[in-house]
Amino acid sequence: ETGVTQSPTHLIKTRGQQVTLRCSSQSGHNTVSWYQQALGQGPQFIFQYYREEENGRGNFPPRFSGLQFPNYSSELNVNALELDDSALYLCASSFERGVGRYGYTFGSGTRLTVV
Amino acid sequence: AQTVTQSQPEMSVQEAETVTLSCTYDTSESDYYLFWYKQPPSRQMILVIRQEAYKQQNATENRFSVNFQKAAKSFSLKISDSQLGDAAMYFCAYRSAFSRPGRNNDMRFGAGTRLTVKP
Repeated sequence: ETGVTQSPTHLIKTRGQQVTLRCSSQSGHNTVSWYQQALGQGPQFIFQYYREEENGRGNFPPRFSGLQFPNYSSELNVNALELDDSALYLCASSFERGVGRYGYTFGSGTRLTVV
Repeated sequence: AQTVTQSQPEMSVQEAETVTLSCTYDTSESDYYLFWYKQPPSRQMILVIRQEAYKQQNATENRFSVNFQKAAKSFSLKISDSQLGDAAMYFCAYRSAFSRPGRNNDMRFGAGTRLTVKP
């Protein structure tokens, strides 16, 4: 089975620009969660998508938005980039049946640098 | 809100010896799941071990075992016979068993412990 793949692996953007990060979920998984991991910190929950709908959101502003497609892949979009958005963005997929007992399968992340 | 605390920013262990990483959490829920993830320099988070709160028996996976103390809200990870490949960031994580579509679906992580293994 294929794992979770994220693209691109590294990205440099200018403050005020927009960025789209992509994630292909593991085969058989129907849920994608996105996390932001600042340097030296633990991952912070951005949002989760289940069956193409947002299924929970962390404390992030509306300029962080996302999509999930019928094949369960997902995009994270960030508008009006700020310097503090520089971080590792992790995508995680899982198979959810309404109870959160499963761990996630993570991708290797996208390192975003905003200058 | 549930929080996860890892009080050891860095730990060091000699190869072949045993090390214990600490984790405490705060929750008012009775049923939940706890995880330890490993993040090597490759950045990919790898699931090490998982514990279900309603199970009293501590989970084990080969050289990895946990000491789950539900009343104390403590969930420590013991690594036996440490190997050079164990060097990484280790994250403790919590997830509610009551996750439902649209509600409380995230996994909460601690700040991590950086483990160094000395040859």
